[in-house]
Amino acid sequence: DVKVTQSSRYLVKRTGEKVFLECVQDMDHENMFWYRQDPGLGLRLIYFSYDVKMKEKGDIPEGYSVSREKKERFSLILESASTNQTSMYLCASSQEIRDRSTEAFFGQGTRLTVV
Amino acid sequence: GQSLEQPSEVTAVEGAIVQINCTYQTSGFYGLSWYQQHDGGAPTFLSYNALDGLEETGRFSSFLSRSDSYGYLLLQELQMKDSASYFCAVKDQAGTALIFGKGTTLSVSS
Repeated sequence: DVKVTQSSRYLVKRTGEKVFLECVQDMDHENMFWYRQDPGLGLRLIYFSYDVKMKEKGDIPEGYSVSREKKERFSLILESASTNQTSMYLCASSQEIRDRSTEAFFGQGTRLTVV
Repeated sequence: GQSLEQPSEVTAVEGAIVQINCTYQTSGFYGLSWYQQHDGGAPTFLSYNALDGLEETGRFSSFLSRSDSYGYLLLQELQMKDSASYFCAVKDQAGTALIFGKGTTLSVSS
């Protein structure tokens, strides 16, 4: 059974803290993604990675960074958490097949609250 | 960039048929995907259309018209368990990342 695992289901952090969200996939996928989901706004892409040590900005990268040191692991970092980063964070992975879409597999999400 | 438009909410009764539309604007097109997300759950893949026409998978079908930049998800014989959010998605300009619409919340009542 394919799996994308996010390290925490719920997280509460204080404003200004550095926050790490971890994601691991066991499917040997090349691509990994971080989205945030807010009511009425759908899933918005923060960052993605198509290979180890490679990263690309998505639509809303401000205030975030990422790390991909190993193929199976993709970390999202909030350098200095702010209340407007309170959200549901979803990690996903997919196989890379150029010029066509492939199924993305999602983790269960991390609901982050910044107080 | 890529953008997608879909209705925010749809309501229907059990046993009915519902169609969720999606229009898109893209620089480079690699097909249209649909995902389902139950409340509190992760999005899961439903279907993918790369070519024009209708793809059928059980009670769900998905349609694509590339010339109209339009697609829809058709759900037949609705069941209460179909109450969920449905997202259409396209790949980004580089053909790597999935860009999602804002989602359509489907409420099925008895």
